[in-house]
Amino acid sequence: QVQLVESGGGVVQPGRSLRLSCAASGFTFSRYVMHWVRQAPGKGLEWVAVISYDGSNKYYADSVKGRFTITRDNSKNTLYLQVDSLRAEDTAVYYCTRDWGVSSFDPWGQGTLVTVSS
Amino acid sequence: EIVLTQSPATLSLSPGERATLSCRASHSVSSYLAWYQQKPGRAPRLLIYDASNRATGIPARFSGSGSGTDFTLTITSLEPEDFAVYYCQQRTNWPATFGQGTRLEIK
Repeated sequence: QVQLVESGGGVVQPGRSLRLSCAASGFTFSRYVMHWVRQAPGKGLEWVAVISYDGSNKYYADSVKGRFTITRDNSKNTLYLQVDSLRAEDTAVYYCTRDWGVSSFDPWGQGTLVTVSS
Repeated sequence: EIVLTQSPATLSLSPGERATLSCRASHSVSSYLAWYQQKPGRAPRLLIYDASNRATGIPARFSGSGSGTDFTLTITSLEPEDFAVYYCQQRTNWPATFGQGTRLEIK
């Protein structure tokens, strides 16, 4: 079945970095646009970044532009999010998800929690 | 950026009742709106895409309607497992945005 599994989250000090990964299976990964979406504790959903099929085009939310980098390795069926210069407000569960049709995202991974704290 | 405003923030109903959730967009998104259900500690689950199409495996009691700026998610005859938070979302214009959510709670 179609599955997305995130990893790489953890507790990190402000200003430090992490690399999040999302392993895809059950579909032809290289044919899909992929996204990261995050959710701060007790808050709503915030779209973070998108990457095209081949990785040539990327777009970021203003809140993370210049600090986060989305990449993909189609040979490994894996999506990445490099998160640098972390701030307390980046504390959230980070989900990877796939473009679905014109309007939506489906499926979603189970998420990986990033906690930024000194 | 397109702002999506959901109402009400909280909806208190009993099992068997009908739920009507609203999502209003600050600019037209045509019919390109999706709805998600999220339960505590779980990832969002796609319910409706393109305003009115049920995703695979979604029960027929869930339906979506609307176009332009006004959209509705209707759940007929609530089941106990339907009590959750519901989000609308658009990606017609970037950045993709989500509504703030409607919490559907048991009365």
